Amino acid sequence: KAGVTQTPRYLIKTRGQQVTLSCSPISGHRSVSWYQQTPGQGLQFLFEYFSETQRNKGNFPGRFSGRQFSNSRSEMNVSTLELGDSALYLCASSFASSTDTQYFGPGTRLTVL
Amino acid sequence: GENVEQHPSTLSVQEGDSAVIKCTYSDSASNYFPWYKQELGKGPQLIIDIRSNVGEKKDQRIAVTLNKTAKHFSLHITETQPEDSAVYFCAATWMDSSYKLIFGSGTRLLVRP
Repeated sequence: KAGVTQTPRYLIKTRGQQVTLSCSPISGHRSVSWYQQTPGQGLQFLFEYFSETQRNKGNFPGRFSGRQFSNSRSEMNVSTLELGDSALYLCASSFASSTDTQYFGPGTRLTVL
Repeated sequence: GENVEQHPSTLSVQEGDSAVIKCTYSDSASNYFPWYKQELGKGPQLIIDIRSNVGEKKDQRIAVTLNKTAKHFSLHITETQPEDSAVYFCAATWMDSSYKLIFGSGTRLLVRP
């Protein structure tokens, strides 16, 4: 069974640009969550989607957005990038909710210059 | 507020010794507590989890204990091996804001050969 895949694995952007990250969950999983990981703040929850609906959102500015498609694949978008957005962005999928086992992808390393 | 505290932040043990990592959580309604291992350049990998109706769970050299009254849970690794060296994260669900995991700050475990 294929794991969670994320593309691209690495990205370099400049301040003010926008970026779109993609996540393909494990087959059969309908819940996709996104997390930001930084050395200073650790792993922080961004948002979670289930059946194309956002069920929960973390404490991030509106520049961070996401969506989920009918095949459960998900994208997150960050607009007007800031230096502080440099981080590892992790996607996790689970069958239906956070009390189901969440499986993480390898992450997308975003560097903002 | 939503919080999971994890200690210690770094832990160095001799190969063959045991390692213990402890976490406390603030939401008494939390009912799911996973532990993840993250190796360099990879996403977090689930190693064991426990639910609130269970006090202890074992899987070979790894065990997790849960004390709901004190709101803390611990990871125990016995007979440590160099390949156990990694960063370990505890997490808890947040029942008043479901569908997300709140992570501890991580413990960097070093197993010396």
